[in-house]
Amino acid sequence: QVQLVQSGAEVKKPGASVKVSCKASGYTFTSYYMHWVRQAPGQGLEWMGIINPSGGSTSYAQKFQGRVTMTRDTSTSTVYMELSSLRSEDTAVYYCARGARYCTNGVCYRAFDYWGQGTLVTVSS
Amino acid sequence: EIVMTQSPATLSLSPGERATLSCRASQSVSSSYLSWYQQKPGQAPRLLIYGASTRATGIPARFSGSGSGTDFTLTISSLQPEDFAVYYCQQDYTFGQGTKLEIK
Repeated sequence: QVQLVQSGAEVKKPGASVKVSCKASGYTFTSYYMHWVRQAPGQGLEWMGIINPSGGSTSYAQKFQGRVTMTRDTSTSTVYMELSSLRSEDTAVYYCARGARYCTNGVCYRAFDYWGQGTLVTVSS
Repeated sequence: EIVMTQSPATLSLSPGERATLSCRASQSVSSSYLSWYQQKPGQAPRLLIYGASTRATGIPARFSGSGSGTDFTLTISSLQPEDFAVYYCQQDYTFGQGTKLEIK
């Protein structure tokens, strides 16, 4: 079965960086894009970016450009999200989510079909 | 930039009742990329509906989605106790702000 297992909670000081991992299993790692989504306490979902595990290409939300880096290790089926210059507003649960693409009768659909359990990142002095 | 607006923010209903949740896009969008998710406290979101109206694997038939253009709807035909949660619509990479479905 498909599983996305994320690394554990982190506490960081303002200005530091954090790197969160997401290990995939139960499917062909390079066949599906991976997204990162975050959720601040009591707030909604915010898309951060996407990585293609096959070639490593990435695309980031404009809000995070210059501060986020997404990478992957195909040997361990793991994707990583690193966020730098942390501030208190970055306190959130960070999720990886598999980008599914379904095509039928010439129409293709996209959705996030599996999610990691989330990683709480707390930024506090 | 497309903005997805969900209404109401909170919906108070009793088990057995019908729930209708709305999601409106700021401009016409492709229904192929319109999805609905359920999130319970302390859990990751779960995919319910994709392509505006197709249930994801394992999702009960009481959940249905409809709509096109700018207006989309998630309907839960008869609420079960486990359905009380927050629901998000998503257009491609943009999420709505969520509707909290609470027990009346």
